[in-house]
Amino acid sequence: EVQVLESGGGLAQPGGSLRLSCAASGFIFSSYVVSWVRQAPGKGLEWVSGINSGGDTTYYADSVKGRFTISRDNSKNTLFLQMNSLRAEDTAVYYCTKSPMLTHFDYWGQGTLVTVSS
Amino acid sequence: QSALTQPASVSGSPGQSITISCTGTSSDVGGYNYVSWYQQHPGKAPKLMIYDVSKRPSGVSNRFSGSKSGNTASLTISGLQTEDEADYYCSSYASSASLVFGGGTKLTVL
Repeated sequence: EVQVLESGGGLAQPGGSLRLSCAASGFIFSSYVVSWVRQAPGKGLEWVSGINSGGDTTYYADSVKGRFTISRDNSKNTLFLQMNSLRAEDTAVYYCTKSPMLTHFDYWGQGTLVTVSS
Repeated sequence: QSALTQPASVSGSPGQSITISCTGTSSDVGGYNYVSWYQQHPGKAPKLMIYDVSKRPSGVSNRFSGSKSGNTASLTISGLQTEDEADYYCSSYASSASLVFGGGTKLTVL
């Protein structure tokens, strides 16, 4: 059974940092593109970042470029999102997703809530 | 990376069919056959319903179908059921190796 479990969310101050993790199981992690998609409270979905199966190509939305860094450890079946220079508008539930290509998201985790507030 | 345009809400009665539109540009919906649709029930994670414009993942009911014409994609749900009541989001691959979502449509089954 496919499972992805996000962790690392919580409260951060504006300008602060957080590191999200996503532990995957039930599929060949190293064969899939993995991405982060977020949803602000009461709002719609927003793609944040993706990384190819080998981890050598990364993709970012303009809204987080230069502030967030995506990475993966295929030996530990884990995806990461390092979030720096956090802003209030980064407050959202962050979902870990998988897909064969960076064209859609075929499985979603339950999400982890990030709140940026002073 | 502008959001795709969806109607805020649609409604239908059980057994009826509804269609949700998703309008983009030639840089996203119109330029690639990589439109996908997601269903999200309150408090739950989204679920993939359609990918590559019209393909259904295993386990998704054939009451759900997708299509595209020009810069507009559509999701049709036939034989509406009460459990179809949810928010629906479209997404498209876009130029510069990015993905863009629509603003979401709330489906009410009357």
